[in-house]
Amino acid sequence: DGGITQSPKYLFRKEGQNVTLSCEQNLNHDAMYWYRQDPGQGLRLIYYSQIVNDFQKGDIAEGYSVSREKKESFPLTVTSAQKNPTAFYLCASSPNRVGEAFFGQGTRLTVV
Amino acid sequence: EDKVVQSPLSLVVHEGDTVTLNCSYEVTNFRSLLWYKQEKKAPTFLFMLTSSGIEKKSGRLSSILDKKELSSILNITATQTGDSAIYLCAVEGTGGGADGLTFGKGTHLIIQP
Repeated sequence: DGGITQSPKYLFRKEGQNVTLSCEQNLNHDAMYWYRQDPGQGLRLIYYSQIVNDFQKGDIAEGYSVSREKKESFPLTVTSAQKNPTAFYLCASSPNRVGEAFFGQGTRLTVV
Repeated sequence: EDKVVQSPLSLVVHEGDTVTLNCSYEVTNFRSLLWYKQEKKAPTFLFMLTSSGIEKKSGRLSSILDKKELSSILNITATQTGDSAIYLCAVEGTGGGADGLTFGKGTHLIIQP
């Protein structure tokens, strides 16, 4: 089945550690996105990529990094520089600029 | 900077009621407005609106865009408990130098049996 897969579903991080969230899609979509969702805040754009080997910062990119080495994959690294990383992270993809974005099931990251 | 405001932020109604959710926006170079339903995890796509005054309908859900008023509404008739979810409105534009969708905070809809 075509879709977008995020892993892990739950992730616990100690303070000072970097962690990487996985996002894979087999929809042959060019564009991929990472959003962060906090209670009462809606979704906020972290990074996006319109094409392989190219990505752009979103509204809240500080403390995060990404790579886009393959069309199917867009991993997000939450670095120790991100001071408040506890949140729900959603990855999305779309066939063109944005249009109808398809979302993964999300990763809930908790700092312990 | 693009901005999306949804109202109400939360709403509790009884099964069978009709509800109207609101979304207003300020966006540079508007391209589209989208509605999503988020039950537990992944938001699922409901509608994409690009033209003013044309209603999109899917079962008991319908939505319409008013570009003059910079707003959209999402109607749900004969609500069921399965409609309980967070409804997200998002706009696509080119404001703020960042691509992607700008989301509102969502309307948390609770349908009581």
